[in-house]
Amino acid sequence: AQSVSQHNHHVILSEAASLELGCNYSYGGTVNLFWYVQYPGQHLQLLLKYFSGDPLVKGIKGFEAEFIKSKFSFNLRKPSVQWSDTAEYFCAVKDSGGYQKVTFGTGTKLQVIP
Amino acid sequence: EAQVTQNPRYLITVTGKKLTVTCSQNMNHEYMSWYRQDPGLGLRQIYYSMNVEVTDKGDVPEGYKVSRKEKRNFPLILESPSPNQTSLYFCASLKGDRAAGELFFGEGSRLTVL
Repeated sequence: AQSVSQHNHHVILSEAASLELGCNYSYGGTVNLFWYVQYPGQHLQLLLKYFSGDPLVKGIKGFEAEFIKSKFSFNLRKPSVQWSDTAEYFCAVKDSGGYQKVTFGTGTKLQVIP
Repeated sequence: EAQVTQNPRYLITVTGKKLTVTCSQNMNHEYMSWYRQDPGLGLRQIYYSMNVEVTDKGDVPEGYKVSRKEKRNFPLILESPSPNQTSLYFCASLKGDRAAGELFFGEGSRLTVL
């Protein structure tokens, strides 16, 4: 069974600080990896995804993530956060084969202080 | 506009009173899924459906039923709700092909069972 671990449950940063949120997954096969964002009171939206190719993936709003296969990791980064980045961030993994199960991590709440 | 629509968005009910949360998508997606979101637990999959008349249990199916009679609709049924089903529920459909798809979420339904 696949599983996802997000190490940080709650992160508080000042504006312009750099961000890195950890995500590790366990699964023996080939995976697709995602980061979703949930702004306060809203539904989840896709931030970025990795399917194959370049392990450094760029998403919306200046976010990027690096897939390190040997470490089973897919950490999310942003060089300089803004107050509007305050949200909850979820890492997710999906089997890239025919089976469609998507497993989510427990989420990281990011609070950016102006 | 492409969307996943859930109803009701908010509901307060009492233990044992059957309820249905509807989910409809207008994107002709084959795969649909229900998740519940609870603080500290992230999103957990309740049921999913690979296509019409094909449904399967996710990680936390107890106390829930689903049906998929048409491609666009995937209702979640709580036959006898209990307080531990108080949660935020999200319906999602898979956008894209099976190998490279991403989840597209509805706005969420906040359910309180007294």
